[in-house]
Amino acid sequence: GAVVSQHPSRVICKSGTSVKIECRSLDFQATTMFWYRQFPKQSLMLMATSNEGSKATYEQGVEKDKFLINHASLTLSTLTVTSAHPEDSSFYICSVTVAGAADTQYFGPGTRLTVL
Amino acid sequence: AQSVTQPDIHITVSEGASLELRCNYSYGATPYLFWYVQSPGQGLQLLLKYFSGDTLVQGIKGFEAEFKRSQSSFNLRKPSVHWSDAAEYFCAVGNINKLVFGAGTILRVKS
Repeated sequence: GAVVSQHPSRVICKSGTSVKIECRSLDFQATTMFWYRQFPKQSLMLMATSNEGSKATYEQGVEKDKFLINHASLTLSTLTVTSAHPEDSSFYICSVTVAGAADTQYFGPGTRLTVL
Repeated sequence: AQSVTQPDIHITVSEGASLELRCNYSYGATPYLFWYVQSPGQGLQLLLKYFSGDTLVQGIKGFEAEFKRSQSSFNLRKPSVHWSDAAEYFCAVGNINKLVFGAGTILRVKS
């Protein structure tokens, strides 16, 4: 399967600042990238889906101006949490699908965001 | 609406014992079904998947799952659990555009 990396793995920031999280597909070009959010002891909730060169499609209830997604290339997507607040603290995980295996998502290791 | 139910929040088994994690789903069509495993603070690793064909699918690390359409179930099994299997397991259903995850089952392995 595809190898997916995320950077940073852990970030602590002050309330009101913005944080950028990178998701990279290391060995395949990603046809689609997904961003999930996972609260402690809960399951993953899809936030948005993005395709290279297109605007991201956000799930209902997810603020697109709050969570900015840029899918700049076939191997890189970024999620920017703007004006972060403590309630944005969570585990953010990206996943990718690749050409020839579009039916399976491969997940990154996740980014732990803590907003003070 | 699509949904996934994992009835067991926690399961504890002895090392070497057999394991079955339950998963029931609600989906409008024939679904794609997945089992993922997550270690603490880590992302998800794909264990196995079912799209069509043989309803018993083999995965990595000695896991298998059986799709039972009549019961809308996709239970995960392993004949002999190892201490390293302790983790959280997620069942997911969906298609290429969207996955819906169950709440997860935390597996504890006692020696």
